[in-house]
Amino acid sequence: QQQVKQSPQSLIVQKGGISIINCAYENTAFDYFPWYQQFPGKGPALLIAIRPDVSEKKEGRFTISFNKSAKQFSLHIMDSQPGDSATYFCAASSPPSGSARQLTFGSGTQLTVLP
Amino acid sequence: EPEVTQTPSHQVTQMGQEVILRCVPISNHLYFYWYRQILGQKVEFLVSFYNNEISEKSEIFDDQFSVERPDGSNFTLKIRSTKLEDSAMYFCASTRTYVRSYEQYFGPGTRLTVT
Repeated sequence: QQQVKQSPQSLIVQKGGISIINCAYENTAFDYFPWYQQFPGKGPALLIAIRPDVSEKKEGRFTISFNKSAKQFSLHIMDSQPGDSATYFCAASSPPSGSARQLTFGSGTQLTVLP
Repeated sequence: EPEVTQTPSHQVTQMGQEVILRCVPISNHLYFYWYRQILGQKVEFLVSFYNNEISEKSEIFDDQFSVERPDGSNFTLKIRSTKLEDSAMYFCASTRTYVRSYEQYFGPGTRLTVT
């Protein structure tokens, strides 16, 4: 029940296209849903995040869509660029039993944007 | 911009040896984490640490693992007797406050290779 399922495993998009990555969860206690971007040899970097009280959040070319009833959320990258080529992880977090939250990550999507 | 740093970037050790992975969290952050990522797999939570004690730990974080904040800046992960399956990328992360403990900043990672 702690899992976050992510798809697709890999995605190839032409420059200027829309990249869409989907995630689903079971644990209704999750109350925070971030997306992380990871370049080779680097740690994950927080990209954008959403709470379940909103259905959409947009920051520049990146948009999270959230469907609470379906327990699904997705990342949309508009006007995808070759520099967006990276691995994207969705994650989820619930209020901690201890002092600090832990993140539960999806399995990752390797995005390649062709020039 | 402040960042989390980790040393070494790559550690090779023999099975059964002890290793210490070091992290310097962002200076005004109070909550610290270790995650690991086995090659090609998702990022997994190991442990969170606050106020000089473990806040939460996962099933992965068994008796061979320990964490310590030996001084005001370093945060370490010790693996007492390494196993082949401990080979992974280990990420340190930190957050500033409890309220914003969902915004975790990751270091570049230490690649641990156990032979």
